[in-house]
Amino acid sequence: ETGVTQSPTHLIKTRGQQVTLRCSSQSGHNTVSWYQQALGQGPQFIFQYYREEENGRGNFPPRFSGLQFPNYSSELNVNALELDDSALYLCASSFQRTSGTTDTQYFGPGTRLTVL
Amino acid sequence: AQSVTQLDSHVSVSEGTPVLLRCNYSSSYSPSLFWYVQHPNKGLQLLLKYTSAATLVKGINGFEAEFKKSETSFHLTKPSAHMSDAAEYFCVVTEPFSGGYNKLIFGAGTRLAVHP
Repeated sequence: ETGVTQSPTHLIKTRGQQVTLRCSSQSGHNTVSWYQQALGQGPQFIFQYYREEENGRGNFPPRFSGLQFPNYSSELNVNALELDDSALYLCASSFQRTSGTTDTQYFGPGTRLTVL
Repeated sequence: AQSVTQLDSHVSVSEGTPVLLRCNYSSSYSPSLFWYVQHPNKGLQLLLKYTSAATLVKGINGFEAEFKKSETSFHLTKPSAHMSDAAEYFCVVTEPFSGGYNKLIFGAGTRLAVHP
């Protein structure tokens, strides 16, 4: 069974640029959630995708957007990067039943984004 | 809204002594609760989860946690610390959003140091 993978591992960007982070779900999972973990803090929920649609969003501005593909992999896009966007971005996959019950979320190793 | 408070930001123990990491939660319904561990420069690994079955939950690597509704607590324990247990530990509660989906709410984390 393949776990959750993320790419790239590290990324350095400058203010105002755009970035795309990628996530491959664990085999058998159909839901992807993205979290931002600033240095020294717990992860904060950005949004969740199920069946290629965003079904929930945390307190993040619209310049944070995402996609989920038919194979359940996902992208996180951030436009107009700001210094405060520097963080570890974590992707988590899970299995969502049609009843709405969600199983445990399993995390990837994360992408470390540095904005200069 | 659900919330999690980890009562200690840092805990230091000697190898072979017991570990206690404290967590209180606030929830307007019966939540699912988790403990995740994060080793340096790594993603999050699930230690254990509580989903309204047995109140004493056993996890990996000898960790366990007890759900106490009357105290709104979910403390993590281990009888004997090992050097490899040194890491950041997060107490997590689920929060539902529209459609029955769940997001994870993380505590601020407790850094566990283990000394020889």
